[in-house]
Amino acid sequence: EVQLVESGGGLIQPGGSLRLSCAASGFTVSSNYMSWVRQAPGKGLEWVSGVYSGGSRFYADSVKGRFTISRDNSKNTLYLQMNSLRAEDTAVYYCARGLVPGIWDYWGQGTLVTVSS
Amino acid sequence: DIQMTQSPSSLSASVGDRVTITCQASQDISNYLNWYQQKPGKAPKLLIYDASNLETGVPSRFSGSGSGTDFTFTISSLQPEDIATYYCQQYDNPRLTFGPGTKVDFK
Repeated sequence: EVQLVESGGGLIQPGGSLRLSCAASGFTVSSNYMSWVRQAPGKGLEWVSGVYSGGSRFYADSVKGRFTISRDNSKNTLYLQMNSLRAEDTAVYYCARGLVPGIWDYWGQGTLVTVSS
Repeated sequence: DIQMTQSPSSLSASVGDRVTITCQASQDISNYLNWYQQKPGKAPKLLIYDASNLETGVPSRFSGSGSGTDFTFTISSLQPEDIATYYCQQYDNPRLTFGPGTKVDFK
């Protein structure tokens, strides 16, 4: 059974850093397209970043230069390193598996990141 | 980036009604268009991929059509469990984008 479990969210001050984790089971992270998608409170969905099985990475303009997507094949885990956090980064962050790049068939339950002083 | 628009932003309907949502892309995206359903406090769920293909296990009352820049999502007979927000999403470009969503509730 495919499962994605995010962790690492919490309350962080503006300018701070946080690393989100997404532990996968039932499939191999490195063999799939994986993404992070976020949703600010009461708002719509926003794609944040994605990594292809071959290793290519893409970022939304809103996070480029501040966020880094990575994966640990030995732990079958996807990460999102978030630096220089801003209030507008406050959101529930979901990791998602791509059926093919761009079509997400499995999602985690989400982890809440709150950026506030 | 490719911009996605949806209309309406919200709608109210009765059980059994036919519900239609439209999605427009700012440029030709062929059929690289998906539809997701999201219920409050839950992760999105894939319903339709490649504009018109029904994801496994999704009821046949859901359907999608379109190509290029104009797409349509239809619920043929609205059921109580269909109350949710629906999003279109393009993947023609690696910088993926969603529409703003359409909230469907009961009249």
